[in-house]
Amino acid sequence: QSVLTQPPSASATPGQRVTISCSGRNSNIGSNNVHWYQQVPGAAPKLLIHSNSQRPSGVPDRFSGSRSGTSASLAISGLRSEDEADYYCAVWDETLTVPVFGGGTKLTVL
Amino acid sequence: EVQLVESGGGLVQPGGSLRLSCVASGFTFTAHYIDWVRQAPGKGLEWIGRIANKANNYHADFAASVKGRITFSRDDSKNSVYLQLKSLKTEDTALYYCTREGHSEGPDLDHWGQGTLVTVSS
Repeated sequence: QSVLTQPPSASATPGQRVTISCSGRNSNIGSNNVHWYQQVPGAAPKLLIHSNSQRPSGVPDRFSGSRSGTSASLAISGLRSEDEADYYCAVWDETLTVPVFGGGTKLTVL
Repeated sequence: EVQLVESGGGLVQPGGSLRLSCVASGFTFTAHYIDWVRQAPGKGLEWIGRIANKANNYHADFAASVKGRITFSRDDSKNSVYLQLKSLKTEDTALYYCTREGHSEGPDLDHWGQGTLVTVSS
């Protein structure tokens, strides 16, 4: 059982907008920056969003992140087939004093 | 180009130990923490620990699942980090990733290696 809760799966058709949630506690999301990772099948994870809403160089602006209270969200607009991947949120937890990952959300592009 | 290359994985018997290496290139190694993340077959990501840079006294943090069984070391002259894990259990079977921690607050792991597979089995 992960400290951060993500839906196990999500799906949408090409061109649509999809949102993936990450729910936590005051000790993690409520007090620290959230980061998002994308893992395409067979590849290593890649940093997609850092510090709640910042895109690293090279990440398309179709990807956006937000944080409110003890929850965070990753939104993908103009969905493309290559967005089919697993997505993970991660944040430092003040109680555990270590970083924690969400359980991951498998995104299927129909 | 930033690169992180892991090695040292393989088949290990339960109760045994292993030493994984991570060699970095393409960036100022001494400016960054190095974190390790593992992924069991078909499962999600699990952060297992990190080692700070010299400026932060090579301080190490560990996940509860490996605490007491894991040590990190770092050789800045070789741009390398080493992970030693002992008393291995079948649940330690996973792909082990070496990652570079960026300069944002929290697990801002901005570059990842391709991973090295560890299989614990008799």
